[in-house]
Amino acid sequence: GAVVSQHPSWVICKSGTSVKIECRSLDFQATTMFWYRQFPKQSLMLMATSNEGSKATYEQGVEKDKFLINHASLTLSTLTVTSAHPEDSSFYICSARDYKGSAYEQYFGPGTRLTVT
Amino acid sequence: AQTVTQSQPEMSVQEAETVTLSCTYDTSESDYYLFWYKQPPSRQMILVIRQEAYKQQNATENRFSVNFQKAAKSFSLKISDSQLGDAAMYFCAYKADKIIFGKGTRLHILP
Repeated sequence: GAVVSQHPSWVICKSGTSVKIECRSLDFQATTMFWYRQFPKQSLMLMATSNEGSKATYEQGVEKDKFLINHASLTLSTLTVTSAHPEDSSFYICSARDYKGSAYEQYFGPGTRLTVT
Repeated sequence: AQTVTQSQPEMSVQEAETVTLSCTYDTSESDYYLFWYKQPPSRQMILVIRQEAYKQQNATENRFSVNFQKAAKSFSLKISDSQLGDAAMYFCAYKADKIIFGKGTRLHILP
């Protein structure tokens, strides 16, 4: 099956710094990727939809200047958390969409745990 | 807006028994997909089963089956012959253009 990777799997950063998370589709091209956020013992909340070569579409309530998304190639999307604060600590999961015949399949990465101290 | 509701935050079932997890959703779309995902402690999302809304027949994958009631907007998951490895968070999900998730049900398997 299709594989989506994320890097890093775990990152600790200091308050006020920025951190970048990468999401790669390893064996398929993904024109669309999605970024989710998951707090402990909670569900996945969609943050934004990332489209290759164009601006990301953010869900209501998500600060686009805080969470910068770049989808510069068909296999890579990045999420940069700018000026991170402890409340940004969370588990971030990306998902990539692959067109399979007559429908889209969506594959999930293993997630990135961000801890802001 | 589409919503997905899972009313059971936690459930327990005896090993080898059958358990049903509930899910309801709300949408005005006629063409969509429904999923059940499993999230074990590793937190990797694993697709358990999917259902196309246009199909009346309930999807089945080995020990996992769904009861899809389109008019009632209900999509429950039945796990038969529960195994210890089934213990996880289970998320019901809906997709038209993007996947949105319910709050999840934590399933415990009692040996």
